[in-house]
Amino acid sequence: GIQVEQSPPDLILQEGANSTLRCNFSDSVNNLQWFHQNPWGQLINLFYIPSGTKQNGRLSATTVATERYSLLYISSSQTTDSGVYFCAGRAGGTSYGKLTFGQGTILTVHP
Amino acid sequence: DGGITQSPKYLFRKEGQNVTLSCEQNLNHDAMYWYRQDPGQGLRLIYYSQIVNDFQKGDIAEGYSVSREKKESFPLTVTSAQKNPTAFYLCASSIGGPGQGLNIQYFGAGTRLSVL
Repeated sequence: GIQVEQSPPDLILQEGANSTLRCNFSDSVNNLQWFHQNPWGQLINLFYIPSGTKQNGRLSATTVATERYSLLYISSSQTTDSGVYFCAGRAGGTSYGKLTFGQGTILTVHP
Repeated sequence: DGGITQSPKYLFRKEGQNVTLSCEQNLNHDAMYWYRQDPGQGLRLIYYSQIVNDFQKGDIAEGYSVSREKKESFPLTVTSAQKNPTAFYLCASSIGGPGQGLNIQYFGAGTRLSVL
């Protein structure tokens, strides 16, 4: 199966700072998604972004499918952005339901 | 409210006991999934179902069983054969059925299972 590598594994920011999270895939993927897991464990889908760039408020994401990576940008970070960020994708040719997740980036935003 | 409901929120299992985790969705989604999350780790797929009365093993299905008798429900049984069941279990659903490419997954709040 595909390997999903996320970096950095941990990130500590002061409120108001910007950050970039990266997700690399060992093979071509589709159905690429970014999720945020809050401290209580709830996962929220942030972006469905198989290619191109999308923006939602202070968050934006870019996927370069031909180079097998995706980036998540967080601008003007807030304490509520804290939590774990996961990317996940489906390897081409596999059953459509089977997402493979990365290990996550733990983000801590201090006031 | 539309969403995915998992119950219970916390569950304790005695040695040799089977326990069942509930997952219900009212989003009219065809596909449903069960994931396991260990501390500091990503999510690993246990089982998934693309349509009623059909389900497929994920990457770590041993010691688990599922059923999909209704579109809204996808219960997960953690059997006594699962020797290390302590984990956070997450259920998800997506609108896509077989042959559909769109697979945005929506998650329940999770069940924390511990062994007594």
